[in-house]
Amino acid sequence: SAVISQKPSRDICQRGTSLTIQCQVDSQVTMMFWYRQQPGQSLTLIATANQGSEATYESGFVIDKFPISRPNLTFSTLTVSNMSPEDSSIYLCSVGKSMGNEQFFGPGTRLTVL
Amino acid sequence: GENVEQHPSTLSVQEGDSAVIKCTYSDSASNYFPWYKQELGKRPQLIIDIRSNVGEKKDQRIAVTLNKTAKHFSLHITETQPEDSAVYFCAASARDNYGQNFVFGPGTRLSVLP
Repeated sequence: SAVISQKPSRDICQRGTSLTIQCQVDSQVTMMFWYRQQPGQSLTLIATANQGSEATYESGFVIDKFPISRPNLTFSTLTVSNMSPEDSSIYLCSVGKSMGNEQFFGPGTRLTVL
Repeated sequence: GENVEQHPSTLSVQEGDSAVIKCTYSDSASNYFPWYKQELGKRPQLIIDIRSNVGEKKDQRIAVTLNKTAKHFSLHITETQPEDSAVYFCAASARDNYGQNFVFGPGTRLSVLP
């Protein structure tokens, strides 16, 4: 499976600021996704990062709050904008090499908002 | 949209015993059902999956069964070991106009007691 890295691995941020999380894959992948996992909870899909077009957001998530870029087939960023303590969570990217459905997760970014 | 339920939320078994986790889904269009294992502080790892054209799949001590009519699928772990202790998530995936969309169950915390 692909090697997936995320930066930063963790961060502590002040309310009202923004943080951009990077996801890098060592091979080209068709599908890239961003998830949120709140403490002790399950994984919730934020959006699908589409290469060359706007991301597709799930219900409850909007582009102004979570802008996403995907400039190529190996890289994507998620920005958490105007943060509040409720945004404290683990953010994970996942990738699918083909339309065969398997998804593999990056190591996650643990975000704490004070 | 898809809704995935998972039971039990916690499960304790003695080492060597079997563990069974059950999931139900609501969208009959779902066609792919992965299971992920997440150890504390780590990323979710894909451990086994099953597609809608198969009723059962086995990989060493792990097996998954699918009943499409009843819309439920189960994870079976035999001869449990302490290293099986983790949170397990099921998911259901259906194709839509944007590709695929995973919906995760709430998770089962499995403890294997030595």
